[in-house]
Amino acid sequence: DTAVSQTPKYLVTQMGNDKSIKCEQNLGHDTMYWYKQDSKKFLKIMFSYNNKELIINETVPNRFSPKSPDKAHLNLHINSLELGDSAVYFCASSQGGTVPSSYNEQFFGPGTRLTVL
Amino acid sequence: GENVEQHPSTLSVQEGDSAVIKCTYSDSASNYFPWYKQELGKRPQLIIDIRSNVGEKKDQRIAVTLNKTAKHFSLHITETQPEDSAVYFCAAGGTYKYIFGTGTRLKVLA
Repeated sequence: DTAVSQTPKYLVTQMGNDKSIKCEQNLGHDTMYWYKQDSKKFLKIMFSYNNKELIINETVPNRFSPKSPDKAHLNLHINSLELGDSAVYFCASSQGGTVPSSYNEQFFGPGTRLTVL
Repeated sequence: GENVEQHPSTLSVQEGDSAVIKCTYSDSASNYFPWYKQELGKRPQLIIDIRSNVGEKKDQRIAVTLNKTAKHFSLHITETQPEDSAVYFCAAGGTYKYIFGTGTRLKVLA
Protein backbone atom coordinates (compact mmCIF):
# COMPACT_ATOMS: atom_id res chain seq x y z
CA ASP A 1 0.00 0.00 0.00
CA THR A 2 2.88 2.28 -0.91
CA ALA A 3 1.72 5.88 -1.25
CA VAL A 4 4.55 7.45 -3.28
CA SER A 5 7.08 5.14 -4.89
CA GLN A 6 10.25 5.85 -6.84
CA THR A 7 12.53 3.68 -8.91
CA PRO A 8 15.37 3.06 -8.80
CA LYS A 9 16.44 3.54 -5.18
CA TYR A 10 20.09 3.84 -6.15
CA LEU A 11 21.60 4.97 -9.44
CA VAL A 12 25.33 5.01 -10.14
CA THR A 13 26.42 6.23 -13.54
CA GLN A 14 29.20 7.89 -15.48
CA MET A 15 29.39 11.56 -16.40
CA GLY A 16 27.73 12.32 -19.70
CA ASN A 17 25.18 9.51 -19.51
CA ASP A 18 21.41 9.96 -19.65
CA LYS A 19 19.22 8.46 -16.92
CA SER A 20 15.61 8.46 -15.77
CA ILE A 21 13.91 8.23 -12.40
CA LYS A 22 10.29 7.15 -12.17
CA CYS A 23 7.70 8.25 -9.62
CA GLU A 24 4.17 7.03 -9.01
CA GLN A 25 1.58 7.95 -6.40
CA ASN A 26 -1.58 6.03 -5.59
CA LEU A 27 -3.12 8.70 -3.37
CA GLY A 28 -5.26 10.27 -6.06
CA HIS A 29 -3.40 13.55 -5.65
CA ASP A 30 -3.46 16.27 -8.29
CA THR A 31 -0.03 17.79 -7.64
CA MET A 32 3.40 16.20 -7.87
CA TYR A 33 6.89 17.56 -7.24
CA TRP A 34 10.55 16.83 -7.69
CA TYR A 35 13.07 17.92 -5.06
CA LYS A 36 16.85 17.69 -4.97
CA GLN A 37 18.59 17.11 -1.63
CA ASP A 38 22.31 17.73 -1.76
CA SER A 39 25.04 16.49 0.56
CA LYS A 40 24.34 19.32 3.01
CA LYS A 41 20.73 18.15 3.24
CA PHE A 42 19.28 21.22 1.54
CA LEU A 43 15.88 20.34 0.07
CA LYS A 44 15.32 22.39 -3.06
CA ILE A 45 12.21 22.26 -5.20
CA MET A 46 12.87 21.59 -8.86
CA PHE A 47 9.46 21.12 -10.48
CA SER A 48 5.80 21.18 -9.60
CA TYR A 49 3.05 19.65 -11.75
CA ASN A 50 -0.70 19.89 -11.35
CA ASN A 51 -2.91 17.53 -13.34
CA LYS A 52 -0.03 16.79 -15.73
CA GLU A 53 0.68 20.47 -16.34
CA LEU A 54 3.98 22.12 -15.39
CA ILE A 55 3.37 24.80 -12.76
CA ILE A 56 6.79 25.51 -11.30
CA ASN A 57 10.23 25.21 -12.87
CA GLU A 58 12.80 26.53 -10.46
CA THR A 59 15.51 27.55 -12.91
CA VAL A 60 16.59 23.98 -13.34
CA PRO A 61 19.00 23.35 -16.24
CA ASN A 62 17.20 22.10 -19.32
CA ARG A 63 19.19 18.86 -19.07
CA PHE A 64 16.44 17.94 -16.59
CA SER A 65 13.15 17.15 -18.29
CA PRO A 66 10.16 16.06 -16.23
CA LYS A 67 7.35 14.16 -17.88
CA SER A 68 3.89 13.49 -16.53
CA PRO A 69 2.01 10.92 -18.65
CA ASP A 70 -0.92 11.10 -16.21
CA LYS A 71 -1.52 12.72 -12.86
CA ALA A 72 -0.34 9.63 -10.96
CA HIS A 73 3.12 9.66 -12.55
CA LEU A 74 5.91 12.19 -12.74
CA ASN A 75 9.17 10.96 -14.20
CA LEU A 76 12.48 12.80 -14.33
CA HIS A 77 14.88 12.40 -17.21
CA ILE A 78 18.39 13.79 -16.93
CA ASN A 79 20.64 14.24 -19.95
CA SER A 80 24.42 14.57 -19.99
CA LEU A 81 24.84 13.92 -16.29
CA GLU A 82 27.40 16.04 -14.42
CA LEU A 83 29.24 15.47 -11.15
CA GLY A 84 27.14 18.19 -9.50
CA ASP A 85 23.97 16.23 -10.22
CA SER A 86 24.95 13.74 -7.51
CA ALA A 87 22.27 14.04 -4.83
CA VAL A 88 19.16 12.37 -3.47
CA TYR A 89 16.11 13.12 -5.59
CA PHE A 90 12.73 13.03 -3.90
CA CYS A 91 9.39 12.88 -5.59
CA ALA A 92 6.37 14.11 -3.60
CA SER A 93 2.66 14.58 -4.09
CA SER A 94 -0.12 16.60 -2.49
CA GLN A 95 -3.81 17.09 -2.99
CA GLY A 96 -3.27 20.66 -4.18
CA GLY A 97 -6.00 23.26 -4.20
CA THR A 98 -6.02 26.92 -3.25
CA VAL A 99 -7.28 26.67 0.33
CA PRO A 100 -4.51 26.12 2.86
CA SER A 101 -5.39 22.95 4.71
CA SER A 102 -4.06 19.55 5.46
CA TYR A 103 -4.69 18.87 1.79
CA ASN A 104 -1.43 20.66 1.18
CA GLU A 105 0.53 18.03 3.08
CA GLN A 106 3.22 16.66 0.84
CA PHE A 107 3.90 12.95 0.87
CA PHE A 108 7.45 12.11 -0.12
CA GLY A 109 8.74 9.08 -1.94
CA PRO A 110 11.69 7.09 -0.53
CA GLY A 111 14.22 8.99 -2.61
CA THR A 112 16.66 8.02 -5.35
CA ARG A 113 20.34 8.38 -4.54
CA LEU A 114 22.11 9.39 -7.75
CA THR A 115 25.88 9.14 -7.87
CA VAL A 116 27.67 10.48 -10.92
CA LEU A 117 31.28 9.26 -11.31
CA GLY B 1 13.87 35.71 -4.19
CA GLU B 2 11.84 33.75 -1.70
CA ASN B 3 13.77 32.12 1.07
CA VAL B 4 13.31 30.53 4.47
CA GLU B 5 15.97 30.91 7.13
CA GLN B 6 16.15 28.26 9.82
CA HIS B 7 18.10 28.28 13.08
CA PRO B 8 19.95 26.66 14.66
CA SER B 9 21.62 24.33 12.17
CA THR B 10 22.47 21.88 14.95
CA LEU B 11 20.92 21.47 18.37
CA SER B 12 21.90 19.10 21.17
CA VAL B 13 19.64 18.68 24.19
CA GLN B 14 19.49 16.33 27.12
CA GLU B 15 16.70 13.79 27.13
CA GLY B 16 13.64 15.32 28.77
CA ASP B 17 14.59 18.91 27.91
CA SER B 18 12.79 21.08 25.38
CA ALA B 19 13.98 21.96 21.90
CA VAL B 20 13.05 25.05 19.90
CA ILE B 21 13.71 25.59 16.20
CA LYS B 22 12.98 28.92 14.55
CA CYS B 23 12.25 29.92 10.97
CA THR B 24 11.77 33.20 9.16
CA TYR B 25 10.22 33.46 5.72
CA SER B 26 10.33 36.24 3.17
CA ASP B 27 7.28 35.70 0.93
CA SER B 28 4.29 37.42 2.53
CA ALA B 29 1.99 35.38 0.28
CA SER B 30 2.93 32.18 2.11
CA ASN B 31 -0.10 30.75 3.84
CA TYR B 32 0.90 27.26 4.90
CA PHE B 33 3.79 26.27 7.18
CA PRO B 34 4.60 22.58 7.60
CA TRP B 35 7.37 20.97 9.61
CA TYR B 36 9.02 17.79 8.44
CA LYS B 37 11.20 15.27 10.25
CA GLN B 38 13.80 13.33 8.31
CA GLU B 39 15.57 10.41 9.92
CA LEU B 40 18.88 9.24 8.52
CA GLY B 41 18.46 7.67 5.09
CA LYS B 42 14.71 8.12 5.08
CA ARG B 43 12.16 10.41 3.48
CA PRO B 44 10.92 13.65 5.07
CA GLN B 45 7.65 13.12 6.93
CA LEU B 46 5.18 15.74 8.10
CA ILE B 47 4.98 16.08 11.87
CA ILE B 48 2.84 19.19 12.24
CA ASP B 49 1.59 22.07 10.12
CA ILE B 50 -0.11 25.41 10.63
CA ARG B 51 -2.16 27.67 8.41
CA SER B 52 -1.79 31.41 8.18
CA ASN B 53 -5.06 32.10 10.01
CA VAL B 54 -3.90 30.22 13.14
CA GLY B 55 -1.37 31.44 15.68
CA GLU B 56 -0.59 28.22 17.49
CA LYS B 57 -1.16 24.50 17.16
CA LYS B 58 -0.26 21.65 19.46
CA ASP B 59 -0.08 17.90 19.03
CA GLN B 60 1.06 16.05 22.15
CA ARG B 61 4.73 16.98 22.70
CA ILE B 62 4.98 19.11 19.57
CA ALA B 63 3.73 22.65 19.10
CA VAL B 64 4.13 25.25 16.39
CA THR B 65 3.64 29.00 16.68
CA LEU B 66 3.24 31.51 13.87
CA ASN B 67 3.72 35.27 13.90
CA LYS B 68 2.58 36.47 10.49
CA THR B 69 3.46 40.08 11.15
CA ALA B 70 7.06 39.23 11.89
CA LYS B 71 7.08 36.33 9.39
CA HIS B 72 8.39 33.99 12.06
CA PHE B 73 7.31 30.49 12.99
CA SER B 74 8.76 28.08 15.49
CA LEU B 75 8.68 24.40 16.41
CA HIS B 76 8.67 23.43 20.07
CA ILE B 77 9.34 19.87 21.22
CA THR B 78 8.89 19.17 24.91
CA GLU B 79 10.14 16.20 26.94
CA THR B 80 12.52 15.20 24.17
CA GLN B 81 13.32 11.53 23.66
CA PRO B 82 16.23 9.84 21.84
CA GLU B 83 13.86 8.92 18.99
CA ASP B 84 13.33 12.65 18.35
CA SER B 85 16.90 12.78 17.01
CA ALA B 86 16.65 13.65 13.31
CA VAL B 87 16.89 16.55 10.88
CA TYR B 88 13.91 18.90 11.06
CA PHE B 89 12.84 21.13 8.19
CA CYS B 90 10.46 24.03 8.22
CA ALA B 91 8.78 25.12 5.01
CA ALA B 92 6.66 28.02 3.84
CA GLY B 93 4.47 28.15 0.81
CA GLY B 94 1.12 27.91 -0.80
CA THR B 95 -0.52 25.66 -3.29
CA TYR B 96 2.15 24.47 -5.65
CA LYS B 97 5.41 25.59 -4.16
CA TYR B 98 7.14 25.18 -0.83
CA ILE B 99 10.45 26.70 0.13
CA PHE B 100 12.24 24.61 2.70
CA GLY B 101 14.52 25.87 5.43
CA THR B 102 18.09 24.63 5.60
CA GLY B 103 17.34 22.05 8.28
CA THR B 104 18.20 21.57 11.94
CA ARG B 105 20.00 18.48 13.10
CA LEU B 106 18.58 17.66 16.54
CA LYS B 107 20.47 15.31 18.82
CA VAL B 108 18.81 14.14 21.99
CA LEU B 109 21.40 12.87 24.43
CA ALA B 110 20.35 10.03 26.70
